[in-house]
Amino acid sequence: EDKVVQSPLSLVVHEGDTVTLNCSYEVTNFRSLLWYKQEKKAPTFLFMLTSSGIEKKSGRLSSILDKKELFSILNITATQTGDSAVYLCAVVQGGSEKLVFGKGTKLTVNP
Amino acid sequence: DTGVSQDPRHKITKRGQNVTFRCDPISEHNRLYWYRQTLGQGPEFLTYFQNEAQLEKSRLLSDRFSAERPKGSFSTLEIQRTEQGDSAMYLCASSSLGGGYQPQHFGDGTRLSIL
Repeated sequence: EDKVVQSPLSLVVHEGDTVTLNCSYEVTNFRSLLWYKQEKKAPTFLFMLTSSGIEKKSGRLSSILDKKELFSILNITATQTGDSAVYLCAVVQGGSEKLVFGKGTKLTVNP
Repeated sequence: DTGVSQDPRHKITKRGQNVTFRCDPISEHNRLYWYRQTLGQGPEFLTYFQNEAQLEKSRLLSDRFSAERPKGSFSTLEIQRTEQGDSAMYLCASSSLGGGYQPQHFGDGTRLSIL
């Protein structure tokens, strides 16, 4: 059965800190890994990673995938209170369109 | 705003009642998905449509759940004879049909509470 494990489950930091969120996965015939940010409502799409070693970057957020070790990390530099959210990692299996999600990492950024 | 739209936002009902939710996807998106999310968990896949065809359905989906997308546009999710365990956020997502995997974009969800 496909499995996505995120760590830590919860993290509290101060504004300006840099954080690294982890996502490890077990999936048959891996296709893609996606990161979403969820602030009480709809998960909003951040990144999609398909190839190993290629960093995706958007402002202070970046992410990279390691298909050999079966994990991805999401980095957020110079955190702001607006980064407080649950960050969800999900994988897609070849031959399927469904997303299999981890439980998420709840990030709290204090001023 | 042309994002995914879900209605109602909240639904409170008594155990044993039937409920129906509606999802309007992003207009040019062919694919539509339903997920369920409970507190402290990530969304869990229920089913997905490509146009009007229901192509994948979770093995966990009870026969009390049914989804339709009759004209390939909006979709409805019905839960019959609701149970306490059905209390959750029901999320709808849509994606386009293009080369390679296309990311799913989510609506704000319908929160169902069973009394």
